[in-house]
Amino acid sequence: DTGVSQDPRHKITKRGQNVTFRCDPISEHNRLYWYRQTLGQGPEFLTYFQNEAQLEKSRLLSDRFSAERPKGSFSTLEIQRTEQGDSAMYLCASTLSGTGAYEQYFGPGTRLTVT
Amino acid sequence: GNSVTQMEGPVTLSEEAFLTINCTYTATGYPSLFWYVQYPGEGLQLLLKATKADDKGSNKGFEATYRKETTSFHLEKGSVQVSDSAVYFCAQSSGGYNKLIFGAGTRLAVHP
Repeated sequence: DTGVSQDPRHKITKRGQNVTFRCDPISEHNRLYWYRQTLGQGPEFLTYFQNEAQLEKSRLLSDRFSAERPKGSFSTLEIQRTEQGDSAMYLCASTLSGTGAYEQYFGPGTRLTVT
Repeated sequence: GNSVTQMEGPVTLSEEAFLTINCTYTATGYPSLFWYVQYPGEGLQLLLKATKADDKGSNKGFEATYRKETTSFHLEKGSVQVSDSAVYFCAQSSGGYNKLIFGAGTRLAVHP
């Protein structure tokens, strides 16, 4: 069990560019979540996958954001036409359904800076 | 909607002092409650959890009791160490997909 991994760990981009982040969950976990954390705040939910199906999206997820989990394993989060307000830490978490309280295991995050 | 409120930091303590970080929640139904910890330069780690009223979660000397009557889940530790310096997040699970709703976090600094 290597834990949840995310790539890249840091991304600096110019406003208007597109960026894509990757999350590799713990291998047997079928549930995958994306969260966004801004400085001094707790993480906020963005979207949820069960296997390959995207079942819930937050209102925070504007049309510029899209997420996929094509084979129910890794997931990608793409932000198009980035804005300075997108600067944040993007966190991925995974868990296995049927494990009681559904503890989520978090990756180290991708820190995005939009200049 | 569902929410979590926790005491603002930073909390600064001397080693071996008693720690309390307050957390209250609003929810429809009876969520599971969690404390996560974020050490400097590291990702979020689950510290402890409680799934129903009067449950006590504990780990590494930290404890929290799920109090339905006061909608609270306060974090306590009898004797903190410098290595406990971190940011602590209270959270509840919400909805059918168990997404987490977090408080804003409380930074703890423990000095020798």
